[in-house]
Amino acid sequence: DVKVTQSSRYLVKRTGEKVFLECVQDMDHENMFWYRQDPGLGLRLIYFSYDVKMKEKGDIPEGYSVSREKKERFSLILESASTNQTSMYLCASSLWSGTGGSYEQYFGPGTRLTVT
Amino acid sequence: AQSVTQLDSQVPVFEEAPVELRCNYSSSVSVYLFWYVQYPNQGLQLLLKYLSGSTLVESINGFEAEFNKSQTSFHLRKPSVHISDTAEYFCAVSDLRNGGSQGNLIFGKGTKLSVKP
Repeated sequence: DVKVTQSSRYLVKRTGEKVFLECVQDMDHENMFWYRQDPGLGLRLIYFSYDVKMKEKGDIPEGYSVSREKKERFSLILESASTNQTSMYLCASSLWSGTGGSYEQYFGPGTRLTVT
Repeated sequence: AQSVTQLDSQVPVFEEAPVELRCNYSSSVSVYLFWYVQYPNQGLQLLLKYLSGSTLVESINGFEAEFNKSQTSFHLRKPSVHISDTAEYFCAVSDLRNGGSQGNLIFGKGTKLSVKP
């Protein structure tokens, strides 16, 4: 069965802390994504990666960075957490469309991050 | 730029009543279309998808959606809802920036379906 896991379901951090959110997929997917979800705003893409060590900015990359050292793992980093980064963070993965993927994304359960 | 519009942010409905959740997208070329469902405190799960072929697609739990190219719509319908259908529903379209080579999706803002007894 397809599986995307995220390291924490709930996380509370202080302003200024460095925060790591980890995502692992077991489907050998090329593409991985990080979104944040806020009420009334839907899902907004932060960063995505289509290969190991490759990364592309999404629509709201400011204040975030990412790391993809292995195909199955995609990390989101908040270098200095701020209260406006309090949100639900969702990781997803998909097959690359060039290899027959259909754009279908598989999501993890989410990490609810609170920055105080 | 492409966009996805979900016309209703909240839809309250009584159990066993029919429901339609509306989704319109902007694109001048062929796209793939998706509906995802999110139950409370969970991630998104794929409900159904349109890639090609028949314009009417169905899910295993009684939902269906019809792709209408002329209206650029992909509305989700269910003839009789259950309490367990209470969730947030997201419409998504394949992102064609960079020729669509990177497999991104553009999501609507979501519709919260609330089924009351």
